[in-house]
Amino acid sequence: DADVTQTPRNRITKTGKRIMLECSQTKGHDRMYWYRQDPGLGLRLIYYSFDVKDINKGEISDGYSVSRQAQAKFSLSLESAIPNQTALYFCATSGGTGVHEQYFGPGTRLTVT
Amino acid sequence: AQSVTQLGSHVSVSEGALVLLRCNYSSSVPPYLFWYVQYPNQGLQLLLKYTTGATLVKGINGFEAEFKKSETSFHLTKPSAHMSDAAEYFCAVSDTTGNQFYFGTGTSLTVIP
Repeated sequence: DADVTQTPRNRITKTGKRIMLECSQTKGHDRMYWYRQDPGLGLRLIYYSFDVKDINKGEISDGYSVSRQAQAKFSLSLESAIPNQTALYFCATSGGTGVHEQYFGPGTRLTVT
Repeated sequence: AQSVTQLGSHVSVSEGALVLLRCNYSSSVPPYLFWYVQYPNQGLQLLLKYTTGATLVKGINGFEAEFKKSETSFHLTKPSAHMSDAAEYFCAVSDTTGNQFYFGTGTSLTVIP
């Protein structure tokens, strides 16, 4: 089984709808991240969390919110989706103190019409 | 803030030829550096990383990268390209806290038979 899972894998929604993307990990890592990937722009950080009580905004947090329900679960919400939020969204985890590489989920492809 | 520049959004090489993907970073402190690979419809996976010690770092699938502080570079190389190397490659940098990672915009590698 994959260490980092994301649901759904694909989602089409309409402008103005609320949508939640979910991420679960079995690596036992404290740090979790949400990124969006757009062609030509690479990955941009939306939110990150170092434990259940620690949530931090990333580079592009406007229009998004997150919830860290448990060490293993980190959800991303779009309260009122808009077309320019159409993108590929990745969850990632990282463990331990100091610098460790990130482990990525398979991604969620979101289309807002 | 740190930043990463990947020169060349698309690189094509012949099968068996040298692969060279360029990455330059800007950082006021010694960074930690990473190369990730993304195959179609998948998440990112770590190729190699530099934290401290030897500046020539070997990774998976025959890739290696050299940290050159004087040139603020961390270029990725592979002596002989294989068809299976066709993918998107991302360079990333983190500071010594490992709190955040900054990604380049990616380089798409095409391998020509």
